[in-house]
Amino acid sequence: GAGVSQSPSNKVTEKGKDVELRCDPISGHTALYWYRQSLGQGLEFLIYFQGNSAPDKSGLPSDRFSAERTGGSVSTLTIQRTQQEDSAVYLCASSLAGARYGYTFGSGTRLTVV
Amino acid sequence: AQSVSQHNHHVILSEAASLELGCNYSYGGTVNLFWYVQYPGQHLQLLLKYFSGDPLVKGIKGFEAEFIKSKFSFNLRKPSVQWSDTAEYFCAVADGGSQGNLIFGKGTKLSVKP
Repeated sequence: GAGVSQSPSNKVTEKGKDVELRCDPISGHTALYWYRQSLGQGLEFLIYFQGNSAPDKSGLPSDRFSAERTGGSVSTLTIQRTQQEDSAVYLCASSLAGARYGYTFGSGTRLTVV
Repeated sequence: AQSVSQHNHHVILSEAASLELGCNYSYGGTVNLFWYVQYPGQHLQLLLKYFSGDPLVKGIKGFEAEFIKSKFSFNLRKPSVQWSDTAEYFCAVADGGSQGNLIFGKGTKLSVKP
């Protein structure tokens, strides 16, 4: 597609429920990144996928968070047993050849856990 | 580990004032540096980037940034701000020698009074 597409744009969920957030990167971009943006906290790196390499999961805050990327394209970020502190905007970005060339960001998914 | 510091949390200026937003990073190797902007209600957009060569980088909308290696700095400047520059600005660094992810600062919110 023309840009990075994320869905849903907004998600309200009850504490303890699982959620799935979807990212559709720019066609042909080999690298895909997930970040979390909280008020006053900037962008917190979560995970990235580069081609067929094993993902770098070093930023995932707990084992309740996981992500996969199918067929080198669409990615899903899953948060299990959501907590109120998971409330944030989850951003996806993709890059043609890696971080050092910069990213194109999606519009994000605003997750609210009540 | 790499880190990025943005010194100002919130900057308030009047139109036509000059702008300088500070950004310092901690990493001793080759770096690629970026400024992203997030206008109210919009997604993050690339403002400018530094790869190599001329340390003075010009971006969109009259912005520029200067890479000073000895100071580990990449400050953003604009000679005369406009009300439409009201946004949040994020500095980011990537390891220029390998794959990986961008490390972002916490952002600086700029409010321009008309």
